[in-house]
Amino acid sequence: EVQLLESGGDLVQPGGSLRLSCAASGFTFSSCAMNWVRQAPGKGLEWVSTIGGSGAVTYYADSVKGRFTISRDNSKNTLFLQMNSLRAEDTAIYYCTKGGPHATYFDCWGQGTLVTVSS
Amino acid sequence: QTVVTQEPSFSVSPGGTVTLTCGLSSGSVSTSYYPSWYQQTPGQAPRTLIYNTNTRSSGVPDRFSGSIVGNKAALTITGAQADDESDYYCVLHMGSGSWVFGGGTKLTVL
Repeated sequence: EVQLLESGGDLVQPGGSLRLSCAASGFTFSSCAMNWVRQAPGKGLEWVSTIGGSGAVTYYADSVKGRFTISRDNSKNTLFLQMNSLRAEDTAIYYCTKGGPHATYFDCWGQGTLVTVSS
Repeated sequence: QTVVTQEPSFSVSPGGTVTLTCGLSSGSVSTSYYPSWYQQTPGQAPRTLIYNTNTRSSGVPDRFSGSIVGNKAALTITGAQADDESDYYCVLHMGSGSWVFGGGTKLTVL
């Protein structure tokens, strides 16, 4: 059974940094693209970032480009999201998602971790 | 700026059929965008329903189906049930590795 368990969400001040983690199990982690998708309170879903299976290829939404960095440790089956220069509008639940075959959809979702940016 | 459009809300009677759509602010949705659909109930993580336009995810009842209708992707629920009352999101793969979600449709079953 695929399991994705996010952690690292917290209350942080504007301009601060935070690192999210997603521990994966139940599938061959290194073979799958992984993604972060977020949802601001009461709002819709927003794609944040994608990383290829080897970690060599990464993509970012314009709203986070230059501030967030996605990475992975395939030896530990863990996905990361380093978030710097945080803004109030980054407040959201951050979901870790597994990419489906050929990375054409979001296959499985974690339960999410809440990031609150506020002074 | 690409905008993916969805109906903000829709209502269906129990046992009825409803079709939710997913369009583009400019242009047509085709299978090349790999449209997929997700269901979310309050307080829960999204659940994958349909991917690659019309493939049901594992465990999804066959009353859910996906297609292209005209210039939009579509999610049809046939024989709606009370527990289908949820928010439904589509997402399109825009190429260059990016994705754009629609704003979501709040479906009421009453």
